[in-house]
Parts: sequence; structure tokens; C-alpha cells
Amino acid sequence: DAKTTQPNSMESNEEEPVHLPCNHSTISGTDYIHWYRQLPSQGPEYVIHGLTSNVNNRMASLAIAEDRKSSTLILHRATLRDAAVYYCILNYGGSQGNLIFGKGTKLSVKP
Amino acid sequence: SAVISQKPSRDICQRGTSLTIQCQVDSQVTMMFWYRQQPGQSLTLIATANQGSEATYESGFVIDKFPISRPNLTFSTLTVSNMSPEDSSIYLCSVIPPAGEHYEQYFGPGTRLTVT
Repeated sequence: DAKTTQPNSMESNEEEPVHLPCNHSTISGTDYIHWYRQLPSQGPEYVIHGLTSNVNNRMASLAIAEDRKSSTLILHRATLRDAAVYYCILNYGGSQGNLIFGKGTKLSVKP
Repeated sequence: SAVISQKPSRDICQRGTSLTIQCQVDSQVTMMFWYRQQPGQSLTLIATANQGSEATYESGFVIDKFPISRPNLTFSTLTVSNMSPEDSSIYLCSVIPPAGEHYEQYFGPGTRLTVT
């Protein structure tokens, strides 16, 4: 399975944008890029996914590099509730249930 | 979407005993999974719970240690057998709703297990 690389931790100030990077240089053409986050003491929750084009939803935006070897999750205005571990995951064909979680990025948000 | 509950939410068990964790979903789902999250670590998939047939285990996990049942499309159990302190983890079930595009996976709140 293709692997991802993320910074271990990042800090942000409340109400400022946050850009969470992910490198996936060995991504294949059929791998979808998924993002999940895990709030403290909770199970992971889906954030967003994409294949080639940038994507937006109510939670975040996903910017995918043209060569697809990296992507960035964008939280437009961080809140304290966004403090979590964010996981970037490659999912073959977008339909594989057996998600392979890396270590993720622990995001801290300062008031 | 799917709402998932797990029982128990937490437990403290003695080594050598077994614990069965229940996962209940509020709608019928095709795919159900069990994950383990060891302290301070990321999630690792244990197995895929198949309705009406034996579970499919990932490398490093065996049926004798983690027997799984899935009697219908809304319920599954995971048993942690002959426990040792190394089994202390959070165990989570997850599902992919049938109406979904298989893009979004829903996770339960987890069962925090401590083995003494």
C-alpha cells in the first residue's frame, strides 16, 4: 500500500487558517486521498476525500498537487474544537474499507 | 450516515480472562470492521467482520485470539481472548453504509480496555 508522510504536530491560533500537509510520493493512479480526524477520546471521523481535483465541503478544503504526490488539508478558520489528530490516508479505488492509518498530525489550537 | 454504539465503553480485566465487545449500528450495513488503537498509537485494522461467514483477519491477528461474530447486518462482536497487559487498547468498530459511495467510513466511540 502507498504510504503517506505527515508532520507529527502543528500549532494554530484560533480563527486563523490551518494548512495540514501530506506527502504521498508513491501514490498510484487509482488511489483516492482521504482525510480523517480523531478528536480526543473519540473514534475517527471522515473529513474529506479527493482524487485529482481540489475539493471543498462544510468542514474543510482539500488541495491536491498536480502530480498528486502531495496534498494539503485546509481548515479555513480553526476553532478550539478542531484540535485533533488528522490522518491522511490513501484508499485504493476509494472503496477499500481497510483503512491504513499512519501516525497523523496532532493539531493544537490556541485561543 | 450511521450511528454506532459500543458496549462496554470501558473495562478493566484480569489477565487470562476474555472480554466480548459489542458493536451495534442503527441501520443495515454491508461492511463492518474492527480496529485496535494501542496507547499513544494510531489505529490498526484487526479484521473485516463478514455477515454469515468467517471474519477476514489482517496479518498478525488470528481468530483464536480475536474471535468475531456477525450474525446480521447491524451487529457484531469482538472477543479478546486470554488477555494479557499487551492487549490494553481502545477497540473500535467501523462501518461503511450501503448507500454510501464507500468513501466515508463511520467509527464507533471505542471500548477502552485495561488488562491488569
